[in-house]
Amino acid sequence: AQSVSQHNHHVILSEAASLELGCNYSYGGTVNLFWYVQYPGQHLQLLLKYFSGDPLVKGIKGFEAEFIKSKFSFNLRKPSVQWSDTAEYFCAVRGSTLGRLYFGRGTQLTVWP
Amino acid sequence: ETGVTQTPRHLVMGMTNKKSLKCEQHLGHNAMYWYKQSAKKPLELMFVYSLEERVENNSVPSRFSPECPNSSHLFLHLHTLQPEDSALYLCASSQDGGTQETQYFGPGTRLLVL
Repeated sequence: AQSVSQHNHHVILSEAASLELGCNYSYGGTVNLFWYVQYPGQHLQLLLKYFSGDPLVKGIKGFEAEFIKSKFSFNLRKPSVQWSDTAEYFCAVRGSTLGRLYFGRGTQLTVWP
Repeated sequence: ETGVTQTPRHLVMGMTNKKSLKCEQHLGHNAMYWYKQSAKKPLELMFVYSLEERVENNSVPSRFSPECPNSSHLFLHLHTLQPEDSALYLCASSQDGGTQETQYFGPGTRLLVL
């Protein structure tokens, strides 16, 4: 079975600090990779996704993620965070064809103004 | 964004009650999903429907009973729940079978079982 690890459970940053959230997965085959974000009181929204091609993926709101196949990682980055980025971030992986997603436990990001 | 809607948004029920959660997607998708989101745990996939047929049931207790009458609607019928079933229940939809399949989520129903 696949598993997804998000090592940081809670990250606290000041505005303008750089962000990197870790995501590692265990699956040896071809994968589709996703980052979802859940703002307080809102639903899960897709932040970015990787299917194939350029391993550096650009998403909404200035986020990007890099797929490193040799490290089974898909870390999320943002060079300068804002207070409005305060949310919970979920990494998800799919290796099968039926749309089944495996989610990490989530990382709560708190940004202080 | 109103692609996937869920009602009610909040629900409090006793252990002997029967209630239903409703999900509706307006995206023309052909697959729908129920997830359970509990604190400190990864999202747990409960059920998958593709073309209105249940294709996955992840060992979910029978007190949870899904229903998918058409490709736009998904229900989760609840009866004799336990307090540990309190959680956020999320519905999602996708276009099944595509090479770039992406799931889109509803806002969830926050369920409290007393």
